[in-house]
Amino acid sequence: TQLLEQSPQFLSIQEGENLTVYCNSSSVFSSLQWYRQEPGEGPVLLVTVVTGGEVKKLKRLTFQFGDARKDSSLHITAAQPGDTGLYLCAGRDNQGGKLIFGQGTELSVKP
Amino acid sequence: DSGVTQTPKHLITATGQRVTLRCSPRSGDLSVYWYQQSLDQGLQFLIQYYNGEERAKGNILERFSAQQFPDLHSELNLSSLELGDSALYFCASSDGTGFEKLFFGSGTQLSVL
Repeated sequence: TQLLEQSPQFLSIQEGENLTVYCNSSSVFSSLQWYRQEPGEGPVLLVTVVTGGEVKKLKRLTFQFGDARKDSSLHITAAQPGDTGLYLCAGRDNQGGKLIFGQGTELSVKP
Repeated sequence: DSGVTQTPKHLITATGQRVTLRCSPRSGDLSVYWYQQSLDQGLQFLIQYYNGEERAKGNILERFSAQQFPDLHSELNLSSLELGDSALYFCASSDGTGFEKLFFGSGTQLSVL
């Protein structure tokens, strides 16, 4: 079974700080996605990365897919309270193609 | 609004009972996923349907079953409920092609007392 491990599990920072969330696996994934979930809502897709070494930027968010396609990172610059939420990485299983999720990183940005 | 509708939003029931959760996918999406989210297990994949057929199966218990109907809506049936089944159940839909983008509903919060 392919597993995705996210770190840290919890992160509490002040507005304006930078942060990085990691998503690691011992398995290769054909693609990797990042979602953000707010309380009482379902996850919302932020980005999909498919090529090893790929970097994608979404305003203050930078996503990177590892060269070997086993890991990914999410970097947020100058975090804002509106960035607060649960960040989930998800990878497409090589056996059957089901989408599996990491445990998530709970981010709290204080004003 | 993701366009995915889940009902009911909240469900409170007793151990041993059976419940049905309903999901209407986004217009045009053929694929429906079911996930279970709990504090200790995270978001766990249960099952996926594509155009009425089962496409992939996760660690879904034998007490749980699902189906996708000709109009593409899906139902997740949970029977002989146990306390540990209390969780948030999400449905997601996608067009089922390429690197699928999943659209999640707001979930059904199930509490088994």
